[in-house]
Amino acid sequence: QKEVEQNSGPLSVPEGAIASLNCTYSDRGSQSFFWYRQYSGKSPELIMFIYSNGDKEDGRFTAQLNKASQYVSLLIRDSQPSDSATYLCAVTSFTSGTYKYIFGTGTRLKVLA
Amino acid sequence: DGGITQSPKYLFRKEGQNVTLSCEQNLNHDAMYWYRQDPGQGLRLIYYSQIVNDFQKGDIAEGYSVSREKKESFPLTVTSAQKNPTAFYLCASKGQGFNQPQHFGDGTRLSIL
Repeated sequence: QKEVEQNSGPLSVPEGAIASLNCTYSDRGSQSFFWYRQYSGKSPELIMFIYSNGDKEDGRFTAQLNKASQYVSLLIRDSQPSDSATYLCAVTSFTSGTYKYIFGTGTRLKVLA
Repeated sequence: DGGITQSPKYLFRKEGQNVTLSCEQNLNHDAMYWYRQDPGQGLRLIYYSQIVNDFQKGDIAEGYSVSREKKESFPLTVTSAQKNPTAFYLCASKGQGFNQPQHFGDGTRLSIL
């Protein structure tokens, strides 16, 4: 089992719809969760982070964390063609004296105009 | 402006040649990281450094070397022992604190001549 899993996609949604991106993780001790957006040929850009169970909203983006079920989601409301990118989930944990920052392989999102 | 600067943006390597990728940050971050990304793939950790004069191997360190003589700088050398060096190389840094995110430079694209 991979430590951080994401569906590779592509996830296609029409313009104006809600895009829902999911990420599951295996280490129950994971503490911090990050979402990055990576446009083709560019470097990843941090868009959201969440540490506590529940929802966190920032503009059109909402991160949702459920530690009991070990998943974190990113919702993008009113999706725009400019949101088309790969979204990477990253999870941190501190286990047996070792700090780890693990990336998922990303979900490719296509917003159709 | 504070940030992470990677240079050059594009680099070409001849057979048997070592090349060095530069990464400089002015964010006063202690931790720095090097990742490799192949087309359509996720990020793979090459080396990381938590403090000056100390660094550890990541998942794919063979054929690479690093140094960390200054807090601001973490250069990566791709040696001739790395037989398949063509990839997108990303440098990241992270501030102190368990919950701090990694931030990325713009990347260096390395190709073989």
